[in-house]
Amino acid sequence: DQQVKQNSPSLSVQEGRISILNCDYTNSMFDYFLWYKKYPAEGPTFLISISSIKDKNEDGRFTVFLNKSAKHLSLHIVPSQPGDSAVYFCAASAKSNYQLIWGAGTKLIIKP
Amino acid sequence: DVKVTQSSRYLVKRTGEKVFLECVQDMDHENMFWYRQDPGLGLRLIYFSYDVKMKEKGDIPEGYSVSREKKERFSLILESASTNQTSMYLCASRGRGTGELFFGEGSRLTVL
Repeated sequence: DQQVKQNSPSLSVQEGRISILNCDYTNSMFDYFLWYKKYPAEGPTFLISISSIKDKNEDGRFTVFLNKSAKHLSLHIVPSQPGDSAVYFCAASAKSNYQLIWGAGTKLIIKP
Repeated sequence: DVKVTQSSRYLVKRTGEKVFLECVQDMDHENMFWYRQDPGLGLRLIYFSYDVKMKEKGDIPEGYSVSREKKERFSLILESASTNQTSMYLCASRGRGTGELFFGEGSRLTVL
């Protein structure tokens, strides 16, 4: 039973355009959400997070939106750059145990 | 900056060999984790530890064991490597009461 789903295995976006990566979850106890970025042969690096008390968090070119009623979050990257080409993982946790539950990842390809 | 160091970036082992993967963190974090990452499956938790000499099974512990004799070091052991354990292994650490994980660069293990 996948509690965190990233339904798009891959996404291709033109350089300079907006990239939107989506993530759905099923557990209503989740109250903290994170996005990680991973290059091949490297460990994931933290990108941005959002608490369930907010519906938006912004950091430079990266914005995460949370829709609790739909149990959906999305990561927006504007403008997309070649260095953004990577696999993006969505993760969620419930404050009760802080265990992170991971999505399967979305491979983002930025075309020049 | 948090530093999580994994001892080997690339390993090639034969079926039946014993494999040790070492992980060291320098931020005095209480929590340490071992994941494996396979394409399309995201990050799957093998084992984690909340304290020295303490370990808990994750989602896929079969075929693995761990050791945490010191706070900064968390080792993953494959008692008898099998070809289905060919994967990218990721170590991570986290401070108490926080959500963000800090990852090492990963160890790519190939079992022939």
